[in-house]
Amino acid sequence: DQQVKQNSPSLSVQEGRISILNCDYTNSMFDYFLWYKKYPAEGPTFLISISSIKDKNEDGRFTVFLNKSAKHLSLHIVPSQPGDSAVYFCAASRYSGNTPLVFGKGTRLSVIA
Amino acid sequence: DTGVSQDPRHKITKRGQNVTFRCDPISEHNRLYWYRQTLGQGPEFLTYFQNEAQLEKSRLLSDRFSAERPKGSFSTLEIQRTEQGDSAMYLCASSPRGGQNTEAFFGQGTRLTVV
Repeated sequence: DQQVKQNSPSLSVQEGRISILNCDYTNSMFDYFLWYKKYPAEGPTFLISISSIKDKNEDGRFTVFLNKSAKHLSLHIVPSQPGDSAVYFCAASRYSGNTPLVFGKGTRLSVIA
Repeated sequence: DTGVSQDPRHKITKRGQNVTFRCDPISEHNRLYWYRQTLGQGPEFLTYFQNEAQLEKSRLLSDRFSAERPKGSFSTLEIQRTEQGDSAMYLCASSPRGGQNTEAFFGQGTRLTVV
């Protein structure tokens, strides 16, 4: 069963607008959540994370929101730039990141100039 | 460059052959992970080490797969008698041991094609 779900395979956004990528999880034991960005033929690159004791974490243009009661998190990118075009993976872990990551299937973001 | 390094980047092999991949983690990282990614999927966990000890293996890791990390530094992943279904990107990642809320850093992966 898929413990981490990204239900939108793709998303297209105009440059300068906000991109919102969503992720749902089913395992209530997850307490640490991460977003990775992946370009073709490269490994995933860490973007931003959030612990379950918080509901928001911000880093520059990137903000992650966590709604524990809904088991839902989202990544906001504002303003979106063409260089943000990539596949974004949501990942989750237990024990504050000390267990292997469980990934969603990814969302391909295209930012159109 | 002090990131995670994987070798080779690409490997094409005939079905039935054995292949071995190498991963060099970030030097101060005690934990090393192997993942596999196929088209349209996210990375799937295979196995991980803390120093030289293999702590967990996924159900995905069949008997044809073996991983080692003999001195707690680099790791190798061997696939024996390769099958076409083994074609995938094999990713290695490392992280500090026992950290609080620490992310894993990934290498660029080894793309395996079994023909």
